[in-house]
Amino acid sequence: AQTVTQSQPEMSVQEAETVTLSCTYDTSESDYYLFWYKQPPSRQMILVIRQEAYKQQNATENRFSVNFQKAAKSFSLKISDSQLGDAAMYFCAYRIYFGNEKLTFGTGTRLTIIP
Amino acid sequence: KAGVTQTPRYLIKTRGQQVTLSCSPISGHRSVSWYQQTPGQGLQFLFEYFSETQRNKGNFPGRFSGRQFSNSRSEMNVSTLELGDSALYLCASSLAGASYNEQFFGPGTRLTVL
Repeated sequence: AQTVTQSQPEMSVQEAETVTLSCTYDTSESDYYLFWYKQPPSRQMILVIRQEAYKQQNATENRFSVNFQKAAKSFSLKISDSQLGDAAMYFCAYRIYFGNEKLTFGTGTRLTIIP
Repeated sequence: KAGVTQTPRYLIKTRGQQVTLSCSPISGHRSVSWYQQTPGQGLQFLFEYFSETQRNKGNFPGRFSGRQFSNSRSEMNVSTLELGDSALYLCASSLAGASYNEQFFGPGTRLTVL
């Protein structure tokens, strides 16, 4: 069975600084997707960034980028130039490449932005 | 295009009762997945429906069931409610085609069992 582990329950960062959230996972599959989702307080879960396991290049979306280490089964999220709107719960998630839409989530990291 | 909608948004029930939650996916989306979110267990997958068929199921007791209609709207039902069923129930929809399609989440239904 696939598992996703986030070892940092809470993180904080000064506004405009950079923060990295950690995630490790376990799977026997070779093709899969990894995601970071953001859940702001009392608001809907939204996708931040996606990584396909077959791609060696790390995904980037504006201020968000990942460090994907397939052999180490590590998938961290870097947020640059942190903004107050980045405050949220961040969930790392895994999905097999094809066949169903089931997401396996980590336990989440609560990110606080310090003004 | 309207997003994923869930009704009701809040629900209070007592132990032993049953409840039905509804999810309307984005127009054209054929897959609907359900998740239970609690402070203790985090986000756990309940089941996924695709074209009216249950395609995948999580490790939940048989009290949790669901279905999908021909218009892709989905309902989940919980019978004989227990205190531990208190949670935020999220649904997510996607096109679920052969290539990658993003899943979009609804705002959730917060269920409180007294």
